[in-house]
Amino acid sequence: DSGVTQTPKHLITATGQRVTLRCSPRSGDLSVYWYQQSLDQGLQFLIQYYNGEERAKGNILERFSAQQFPDLHSELNLSSLELGDSALYFCASSVNLGPNRDMITVNEQFFGPGTRLTVL
Amino acid sequence: KNEVEQSPQNLTAQEGEFITINCSYSVGISALHWLQQHPGGGIVSLFMLSSGKKKHGRLIATINIQEKHSSLHITASHPRDSAVYICAVRYGSGGSNYKLTFGKGTLLTVNP
Repeated sequence: DSGVTQTPKHLITATGQRVTLRCSPRSGDLSVYWYQQSLDQGLQFLIQYYNGEERAKGNILERFSAQQFPDLHSELNLSSLELGDSALYFCASSVNLGPNRDMITVNEQFFGPGTRLTVL
Repeated sequence: KNEVEQSPQNLTAQEGEFITINCSYSVGISALHWLQQHPGGGIVSLFMLSSGKKKHGRLIATINIQEKHSSLHITASHPRDSAVYICAVRYGSGGSNYKLTFGKGTLLTVNP
């Protein structure tokens, strides 16, 4: 058990709908990362939050958004869902304490169990 | 384009064999991760490297910064090692963002 929790485990929805995936990081971890894993694209980085602020953006569609709350849990919102959005969505967390707010110490990431999204 | 290449794509071994999985990347990195994903889907971080070599039990990870290459070795392989092994790199020299680029993974099957 990595200490990172994700809910729900499975989600089945229809095209055009909107869903919210939730992630609770390990206690003490300040950074949260979201990843998408599909059969054809493999694992892809979507977005990183550090202590409530967005820090890095990857291949995240405009229909997707995320945020990190004061208690450090994070939500990934997926809207206007398409069939191609069906994938495993992983959240990971790490400590990321740096000497100042502009530096992030390279840290191991701990992955949650994932949310399997099926869009019908 | 910053890419991560893994080889082989698929690897089948007999229990007890020594296994090597390779990862190459295109430009300078500040960190390289090796991840393990079991058939159920869960991902476990095995190693994070920026230089040299790390060992954990039967697993050894090495990185050669000059050659832009890393290897993951498994000694005395066991059927429970069967999984997908994924290499991921953080390009760039640092800063506050931490974006990983992933290889496509190596599917390892260890037969008893």
